[in-house]
Amino acid sequence: AQSVAQPEDQVNVAEGNPLTVKCTYSVSGNPYLFWYVQYPNRGLQFLLKYITGDNLVKGSYGFEAEFNKSQTSFHLKKPSALVSDSALYFCAVRDPGSGNTPLVFGKGTRLSVIA
Amino acid sequence: DAGVIQSPRHEVTEMGQEVTLRCKPISGHNSLFWYRQTMMRGLELLIYFNNNVPIDDSGMPEDRFSAKMPNASFSTLKIQPSEPRDSAVYFCASSRPGQGPVNEQFFGPGTRLTVL
Repeated sequence: AQSVAQPEDQVNVAEGNPLTVKCTYSVSGNPYLFWYVQYPNRGLQFLLKYITGDNLVKGSYGFEAEFNKSQTSFHLKKPSALVSDSALYFCAVRDPGSGNTPLVFGKGTRLSVIA
Repeated sequence: DAGVIQSPRHEVTEMGQEVTLRCKPISGHNSLFWYRQTMMRGLELLIYFNNNVPIDDSGMPEDRFSAKMPNASFSTLKIQPSEPRDSAVYFCASSRPGQGPVNEQFFGPGTRLTVL
């Protein structure tokens, strides 16, 4: 069965510092991996995805994520955090052999960027 | 593109009442997903449809919950009778056909349901 784990419920970062939100996955074969962000009282917004190719994926709002097959990880990163990045972040996975099935989401990590 | 549209945005009702949540997916999308989000359980998949056909409803918590998709542009999630523990934010999402697993899901703004 496919799954993702987000080991941190909460991440606190000072504004201007680099941020990392961690995600590890479990899936048979090569995974399709996604990151979403949820701002207060809003729906989830797509940030980026890894399908194949370059292990470093760039997405919206200056975010990027690095796919590491040996560590089964897909950590979300940003070189310089903004207060406006404070939100709930979800990692998700889909087995490539599963067709257009629902994404499997992690429990989410709350990011707080402190001015 | 208007995005996924959900209505109502907020619903407050009393225990025992019927609640109907509505969703209009993005035009051209052929997969639709209903999720529920609570502090305790996080984001839970309730049911999803492909081409208007329910594929997996194993996430529907009880028989009190039902979902329909009568056509490609409309879906409903009904709770009858509602209970206080149903209080949550309900999200609808859709995704487009074609490349299948590579497609991301687009989420609506959600319906915040409070059952008193």
